[in-house]
Amino acid sequence: GQQVMQIPQYQHVQEGEDFTTYCNSSTTLSNIQWYKQRPGGHPVFLIQLVKSGEVKKQKRLTFQFGEAKKNSSLHITATQTTDVGTYFCAGHTGNQFYFGTGTSLTVIP
Amino acid sequence: SQTIHQWPATLVQPVGSPLSLECTVEGTSNPNLYWYRQAAGRGLQLLFYSVGIGQISSEVPQNLSASRPQDRQFILSSKKLLLSDSGFYLCAWSVSDRGIYEQYFGPGTRLTVT
Repeated sequence: GQQVMQIPQYQHVQEGEDFTTYCNSSTTLSNIQWYKQRPGGHPVFLIQLVKSGEVKKQKRLTFQFGEAKKNSSLHITATQTTDVGTYFCAGHTGNQFYFGTGTSLTVIP
Repeated sequence: SQTIHQWPATLVQPVGSPLSLECTVEGTSNPNLYWYRQAAGRGLQLLFYSVGIGQISSEVPQNLSASRPQDRQFILSSKKLLLSDSGFYLCAWSVSDRGIYEQYFGPGTRLTVT
């Protein structure tokens, strides 16, 4: 069945350092989405990538979709304490979303 | 604007008891609806999704079931809860808006089976 893996599972960074999480799917995806879940909260949509090789930026966040549409990455430049949370990728195929295992980011002030 | 409601927010139930979690959506019509479960510190596991009234697709065989009696109502049920059913249950909806399939999540129900 469809599997979406993310690495690393946990990441601790000093405030100001960069952070990257990687997402890999076992199958080709129609599109990939990224969500952020703050501790105790629910996932909130960040962005959707559709095209092979697509790169999108949101302020300090850079999202990439691989050429084969099977992997993706989220890079945060100069992390801030407000970036704390768990970041999930979600592969979209048909009517279904397959969430990755998530990367929990801790930012040390 | 669209709103998604889930209740209750927290629930403690004994093993073997029934379960009914309700999710309702406002401000949109004919949404795709989803039930997810998130174990502590883990990712989201898709349990059920529905593309219309009475149409339910199950992703994981288990002792849970789902129903969609109305367009914007999605119910998660169990006849007899197991300890392993503990977790954070999230309802979500999505519609396609110019090719964007953003999912909007409810606040979730934290279920503890004792």
